[in-house]
Amino acid sequence: AQSVSQHNHHVILSEAASLELGCNYSYGGTVNLFWYVQYPGQHLQLLLKYFSGDPLVKGIKGFEAEFIKSKFSFNLRKPSVQWSDTAEYFCAVINTSGTYKYIFGTGTRLKVLA
Amino acid sequence: GAVVSQHPSRVICKSGTSVKIECRSLDFQATTMFWYRQFPKQSLMLMATSNEGSKATYEQGVEKDKFLINHASLTLSTLTVTSAHPEDSSFYICSVLEDGSYGYTFGSGTRLTVV
Repeated sequence: AQSVSQHNHHVILSEAASLELGCNYSYGGTVNLFWYVQYPGQHLQLLLKYFSGDPLVKGIKGFEAEFIKSKFSFNLRKPSVQWSDTAEYFCAVINTSGTYKYIFGTGTRLKVLA
Repeated sequence: GAVVSQHPSRVICKSGTSVKIECRSLDFQATTMFWYRQFPKQSLMLMATSNEGSKATYEQGVEKDKFLINHASLTLSTLTVTSAHPEDSSFYICSVLEDGSYGYTFGSGTRLTVV
């Protein structure tokens, strides 16, 4: 069965620290990959997405993610986090074989200390 | 992108009663909407796919008689939690998939508390 793993459940960083959140998926076919962010009290927002082409994807608010097919990974990065990045981050995968269903990871709760 | 409105944002109901949650696609005709459930500290779990004009497709383990989904128009899908129990307390989120894109737009969610 298709699954998405986010290894870090809670991450605490100081402002200006670099961020990398892991995401691995298990699916042998063609996938599209996404990172969503959920700020406290708000709904999910799309940070970035990968469909094809350049495996390094740049999203909003300075986030980027790299798709490494051989590792089934799509890690999220940001060189320097801000207090306002405190949120929960979800990795999601959608297979393109016809079901188009999102499979979400369990999420990573990021807290950035001012 | 699409704008999705979900109502109510919070609801508290007594055990045994039913609660209806609305999901509206404000600027996009959505033939398909999705309903998710999020437990505290857990990921979103797809409950069902709502199809305009036809029956919803439920995921394995989701009781269709308990979670009634109606998608009567291209802009409105409703989820009714029937005979709610405390274990149904959760965060329910709907989303819309825009044709030609895999980018989903999510509603703001409904926090249901059953007391």
